[in-house]
Amino acid sequence: QKEVEQNSGPLSVPEGAIASLNCTYSDRGSQSFFWYRQYSGKSPELIMSIYSNGDKEDGRFTAQLNKASQYVSLLIRDSQPSDSATYLCAAPSGGSYIPTFGRGTSLIVHP
Amino acid sequence: DTEVTQTPKHLVMGMTNKKSLKCEQHMGHRAMYWYKQKAKKPPELMFVYSYEKLSINESVPSRFSPECPNSSLLNLHLHALQPEDSALYLCASSQGLDNEQFFGPGTRLTVL
Repeated sequence: QKEVEQNSGPLSVPEGAIASLNCTYSDRGSQSFFWYRQYSGKSPELIMSIYSNGDKEDGRFTAQLNKASQYVSLLIRDSQPSDSATYLCAAPSGGSYIPTFGRGTSLIVHP
Repeated sequence: DTEVTQTPKHLVMGMTNKKSLKCEQHMGHRAMYWYKQKAKKPPELMFVYSYEKLSINESVPSRFSPECPNSSLLNLHLHALQPEDSALYLCASSQGLDNEQFFGPGTRLTVL
């Protein structure tokens, strides 16, 4: 079982819709969780970090963490074509402090 | 300054060459990382420096040699690479090992 799992997609949503990206992790001791956006050929860019159960909002982005169920999700409201990218979830695994990346979910927002 | 810089942006080298990748951050971060990323794959951790000391080496071949001259700089020395080493090499830094990482733009390496 992979430590941090994401559906590779692609997830296709129309412009203006809500995109929902999910991530599960196996290390129950994980305390910190991160979402990165990566455009093709570019480096990952941090979007959100979340440490506590519940929701954390930043503009059009909302991260949701449920430690009991071991999942973290990212919601993108009012999706724009410029949101089309690969979204990487990262969480510590294997007892390490250092986050491990999931395989990433490709998001396509079509006009 | 919230930027991590990397040089060069692109590098083409032969299998017998020696080259170095450079990374710099001025955020006062105490952890720095090297990752390798192949197309359509997530970043793969290679090395971690914490307080200028190598704390993690993810079983990387010895043809890759990291160096951390000071708290702001990180180098990756390359020697006798193979074509399969061609990839995007990413540097990142963070305040601590469990904090969010900030990535540089990467070096696109091609080994002929």
